Amino acid sequence: GQQLNQSPQSMFIQEGEDVSMNCTSSSIFNTWLWYKQDPGEGPVLLIALYKAGELTSNGRLTAQFGITRKDSFLNISASIPSDVGIYFCAGQDSGGSNYKLTFGKGTLLTVNP
Amino acid sequence: EAGVTQSPTHLIKTRGQQVTLRCSPISGHTSVYWYQQALGLGLQFLLWYDEGEERNRGNFPPRFSGRQFPNYSSELNVNALELEDSALYLCASSLSWGANTGELFFGEGSRLTVL
Repeated sequence: GQQLNQSPQSMFIQEGEDVSMNCTSSSIFNTWLWYKQDPGEGPVLLIALYKAGELTSNGRLTAQFGITRKDSFLNISASIPSDVGIYFCAGQDSGGSNYKLTFGKGTLLTVNP
Repeated sequence: EAGVTQSPTHLIKTRGQQVTLRCSPISGHTSVYWYQQALGLGLQFLLWYDEGEERNRGNFPPRFSGRQFPNYSSELNVNALELEDSALYLCASSLSWGANTGELFFGEGSRLTVL
């Protein structure tokens, strides 16, 4: 089946630093999405990407859909303590009757004030 | 507008018991998805329902089952519980797959502990 390799597994950074995380896949996806999960809550969508090469920003977050359609990265600039949480990438395959999202295993981000 | 709601939020069962988890999607969403999130692992796809039909299921044994009701709410049933079923069970909803952009909206989950 499809697999997403998300890295790094965890990051410990100082407030104000920039953060970068990425996902690679063994197969092509039509859509890449990035979610954040706070403790005790469900994941919340941060950014959705629909075209190869697309670069999209949401405040301090920037994500790109890789040109090969097999990878994506998420950058967070000038991190703040509330950025703490688990970040998941997710890829959607061809859709139709086989639609489902495949999630990476997550990147645990800790921000030291 | 209310988000995805799940119940119960926490529950404890013993091995061999059965459990039913419930999910109400966002108003206007017809697709409901169930994911299992075990400790230290990512989200594992369980089931997808759309317009009352099961559209796809993940690599889980048949003792994981569910259904979707005419009002688009959904239940996840797990029979013959095993210790490794302990996890956070997340429900998500979206527009119908034909209109779906891939964006899922998650509930806060049901935390199941099997002793």
